[in-house]
Amino acid sequence: DTGVSQDPRHKITKRGQNVTFRCDPISEHNRLYWYRQTLGQGPEFLTYFQNEAQLEKSRLLSDRFSAERPKGSFSTLEIQRTEQGDSAMYLCASSPDTGFNEQFFGPGTRLTVL
Amino acid sequence: AQSVSQHNHHVILSEAASLELGCNYSYGGTVNLFWYVQYPGQHLQLLLKYFSGDPLVKGIKGFEAEFIKSKFSFNLRKPSVQWSDTAEYFCAVNKGYSTLTFGKGTMLLVSP
Repeated sequence: DTGVSQDPRHKITKRGQNVTFRCDPISEHNRLYWYRQTLGQGPEFLTYFQNEAQLEKSRLLSDRFSAERPKGSFSTLEIQRTEQGDSAMYLCASSPDTGFNEQFFGPGTRLTVL
Repeated sequence: AQSVSQHNHHVILSEAASLELGCNYSYGGTVNLFWYVQYPGQHLQLLLKYFSGDPLVKGIKGFEAEFIKSKFSFNLRKPSVQWSDTAEYFCAVNKGYSTLTFGKGTMLLVSP
């Protein structure tokens, strides 16, 4: 499968714990995006990378959130000291540099904070 | 702030009925417009997109959408829905290579 992959697909954690999610984009795509989706809402932008550079961060991304994309390939999203309000689906998408910005989405990681 | 508004949160139709899902956006200037679909248990997939040119765009599975610039709208249509069209539909907008701004989605249930 050459689509966007995310790991894990589901994560249950206790409040206060740290969690890390991984996203592997489509191999030739330079742009990588993280979104968060809660029940009854559309995806909301969190952050965006072009290659290894983090170019934009949403105000939704508090200090407890950090994202990296070392070497411009896979990306990780870490949430420190999780809170119940962090429970959501975390989506990763990628797009190529050329053409128009058609973003391809992964299956998401569903986080439940107890 | 930029926003996307989808008029209906839930739509229930019988098979063979016609579908129109509304989408309005508040962006100035040139925009790119998208409809994504999420079938039960699956991830978001692109249904169709508009960047420029003919304002009537055709997508997969018989869907089409019309961009009306004066109304800031990009409504999704299908002349005859099938049970397999049951899914959640999201309208999204961006400018250039910027991130997507999504609407809240419309859940479509098609009864056989």
